[in-house]
Amino acid sequence: GAVVSQHPSRVICKSGTSVKIECRSLDFQATTMFWYRQFPKKSLMLMATSNEGSKATYEQGVEKDKFLINHASLTLSTLTVTSAHPEDSSFYICSARGLVDMSDTQYFGPGTRLTVL
Amino acid sequence: KQEVTQIPAALSVPEGENLVLNCSFTDSAIYNLQWFRQDPGKGLTSLLLIQSSQREQTSGRLNASLDKSSGRSTLYIAASQPGDSATYLCAVRPRYGNKLVFGAGTILRVKS
Repeated sequence: GAVVSQHPSRVICKSGTSVKIECRSLDFQATTMFWYRQFPKKSLMLMATSNEGSKATYEQGVEKDKFLINHASLTLSTLTVTSAHPEDSSFYICSARGLVDMSDTQYFGPGTRLTVL
Repeated sequence: KQEVTQIPAALSVPEGENLVLNCSFTDSAIYNLQWFRQDPGKGLTSLLLIQSSQREQTSGRLNASLDKSSGRSTLYIAASQPGDSATYLCAVRPRYGNKLVFGAGTILRVKS
């Protein structure tokens, strides 16, 4: 199957700083990328959807100025958590969808554990 | 609004057993249904994708079925192994939509 990578896998930062998380589709072109947040023992919560070259569409209740998403190319999307606070600590997972093996499978990255002190 | 329910929430079985995980959805207008596996602290691994026109998909010891009219899918795992222990998530992509709707998952533990 196709591979989606995320970097970093784990990050610890101080309150008030900004953190950037990268998501890459390694062997396919991702026409659409998704960013999710997952709380302990909970399912995934979709934060935003982005298409290459256009602005991201945010889910209700997600602050677009706090969670900046850039989908600059067909293989790269970034999520920047601006002025992070402890309540932003979470597991962030990106996902990518493109035409792979003639299917419309959505592939997920390994996740990034963000801890804000 | 599409809602996805997974039963049971947790399941513990001895090694070697065959088992079935259930997924139900409220709106039959779906584009596809996907089963994922998630290990603790990890991302999701896609197991099987069933298009709305298909009835089942198989990969190794896994078989997923889809009954769109009744709003149900099952994931059958044959000859379970301790390495199958994980959370299994079912997700539906609506026919006219871009976003997956996830169930809460089934936590599977296979005891050796």
